[in-house]
Amino acid sequence: DARVTQTPRDKVTEMGQEVTMRCQPILGHNTVFWYRQTMMQGLELLAYFRNRAPLDDSGMPKDRFSAEMPDATLATLKIQPSEPRDSAVYFCASGRQGFEQFFGPGTRLTVL
Amino acid sequence: QQPVQSPQAVILREGEDAVINCSSSKALYSVHWYRQKHGEAPVFLMILLKGGEQKGHDKISASFNEKKQQSSLYLTASQLSYSGTYFCGTVSGGGGSNYKLTFGKGTLLTVNP
Repeated sequence: DARVTQTPRDKVTEMGQEVTMRCQPILGHNTVFWYRQTMMQGLELLAYFRNRAPLDDSGMPKDRFSAEMPDATLATLKIQPSEPRDSAVYFCASGRQGFEQFFGPGTRLTVL
Repeated sequence: QQPVQSPQAVILREGEDAVINCSSSKALYSVHWYRQKHGEAPVFLMILLKGGEQKGHDKISASFNEKKQQSSLYLTASQLSYSGTYFCGTVSGGGGSNYKLTFGKGTLLTVNP
């Protein structure tokens, strides 16, 4: 069963520290998405890639967040410096263009 | 702009039916429906493309009225396993190379025995 994997699953860090989240999309999927989920805002799209090229990162605070796809098997989301308001569950999802998105299990981030 | 879902929450007894609505102020290319159980990732249910086609599998179906920019998800003869939060996600405009999904805030469905 092909799945999206994410690491770490849980991360607790202190304000000001750098956080890196990793995602391995399903082989053969050409689009990768990063979402953030909070109780208040729901599911928000932060960034997405097609064929490893960034297509839209308008949902991401540019001063502290960055997203990359160094190769087809790895997507990263970095927060530097982290702030308590960044506490959320971060999901990575992958898919073939226009079709269903398969979500990873998420990274639960807590910034103290 | 985020689509609006209604109701925000619904409680059913096993075997009852429910309808969840999703509406947008923008012209829509497609509507996607996902279900998320507590502590888990969202799971895809179905996509509806422009054209008003009704889709379904098992006892869950959906419709898409592109003129009204609305979609509805129908759950019939609900089962305990249907409990969770249902999200609609919309792709607006002409579609094409735009795969950007904007999700509604979700509808919490609870099915009791």
